[in-house]
Amino acid sequence: GAVVSQHPSRVICKSGTSVKIECRSLDFQATTMFWYRQFPKQSLMLMATSNEGSKATYEQGVEKDKFLINHASLTLSTLTVTSAHPEDSSFYICSARDPPRETQYFGPGTRLLVL
Amino acid sequence: ILNVEQSPQSLHVQEGDSTNFTCSFPSSNFYALHWYRWETAKSPEALFVMTLNGDEKKKGRISATLNTKEGYSYLYIKGSQPEDSATYLCAPYSGGGADGLTFGKGTHLIIQP
Repeated sequence: GAVVSQHPSRVICKSGTSVKIECRSLDFQATTMFWYRQFPKQSLMLMATSNEGSKATYEQGVEKDKFLINHASLTLSTLTVTSAHPEDSSFYICSARDPPRETQYFGPGTRLLVL
Repeated sequence: ILNVEQSPQSLHVQEGDSTNFTCSFPSSNFYALHWYRWETAKSPEALFVMTLNGDEKKKGRISATLNTKEGYSYLYIKGSQPEDSATYLCAPYSGGGADGLTFGKGTHLIIQP
């Protein structure tokens, strides 16, 4: 099946710093990638849809200036958490849709801890 | 935002027993339903994409059914094995294009030897 990688798997940073998370589709091209976030004991929540070559679409309540998304190529999307604060500590996971299939393939996720 | 309910939240099953759990979702504007298996420290693994009312899909010992009129799907595991221990997520999909998924909280399944 299609493989999606995510890097780093775990990151600890100080409050006020920025953190970049990469999501790559390894054996297929993805015009659309998705970023989700999961808080403890909650479901995966869609944050934004990343479109290759155009601006990302953010879900209601997600600050686009805080969570910068870049989808510069058909195999790479990045999420940058800018000026991270402890409340941004969460599990971030990306997925890529392999057209023309309907399935989304997920990366293994990134656990972010902001001190 | 879709309201997706999965039950039970967690389930302990003896090895060799069969089990099933439920995903409930709004029946209006239905397009597809996704089931994923998520093992700790791994990527969620796609199990099924179901689209038609009455659909039944099977993958090894795992099968799923879909009722779009009443808004539910069942996932069945026959003869549970320790490797089936995982969180099972469902996500109904109402879009036809590049929309993200709305997930339930999952059913956490533990198979006891």
